[in-house]
Amino acid sequence: GENVEQHPSTLSVQEGDSAVIKCTYSDSASNYFPWYKQELGKRPQLIIDIRSNVGEKKDQRIAVTLNKTAKHFSLHITETQPEDSAVYFCAASTGGGFKTIFGAGTRLFVKA
Amino acid sequence: GAGVSQSPSNKVTEKGKDVELRCDPISGHTALYWYRQSLGQGLEFLIYFQGNSAPDKSGLPSDRFSAERTGGSVSTLTIQRTQQEDSAVYLCASSPLMNTEAFFGQGTRLTVV
Repeated sequence: GENVEQHPSTLSVQEGDSAVIKCTYSDSASNYFPWYKQELGKRPQLIIDIRSNVGEKKDQRIAVTLNKTAKHFSLHITETQPEDSAVYFCAASTGGGFKTIFGAGTRLFVKA
Repeated sequence: GAGVSQSPSNKVTEKGKDVELRCDPISGHTALYWYRQSLGQGLEFLIYFQGNSAPDKSGLPSDRFSAERTGGSVSTLTIQRTQQEDSAVYLCASSPLMNTEAFFGQGTRLTVV
């Protein structure tokens, strides 16, 4: 079945450094790739998304890249801040676009 | 405006009892999703609705789990004969169209004792 793999499971960086999270997906028909941030005890919230007709998208300190040939996409956070500490989930749409499968999550710690 | 609302927010039930979890999506959202999140774990896909129909039920863990959606709005996830391994946070989300942002509810924390 459809699958999304995410690495690393835990990432610790110093404040001001960059953080990179990588994901691969199995369904070549997937064409929507959102990223969600979940702070402790809260619901997941979208931080950025990318569609298959775009290779890269940037929003302030956050950027996402997509390689459809290799079926992988990545989240890049620059100039990390303590408030970036959270669990980040990548996801890929499948099943004609309505079914969204999530990766296992990356717990990011930003040390002040 | 109103977001996705789930009830109850917390539910403690005895092993073997049935439970119903409710989700009120954002008005007008076509798609509705149920996910399960165990402590410190990822989001396990359970089922999605496109309108009132559920084209893919393959994510439901067992035949004790069922879900329905009526009127293209409210959805209910039912777990029969609950087991301790069913303990988790059950998250509902809705989105207006395919391939768009999913808005999550606050979840129902289910504890089976």
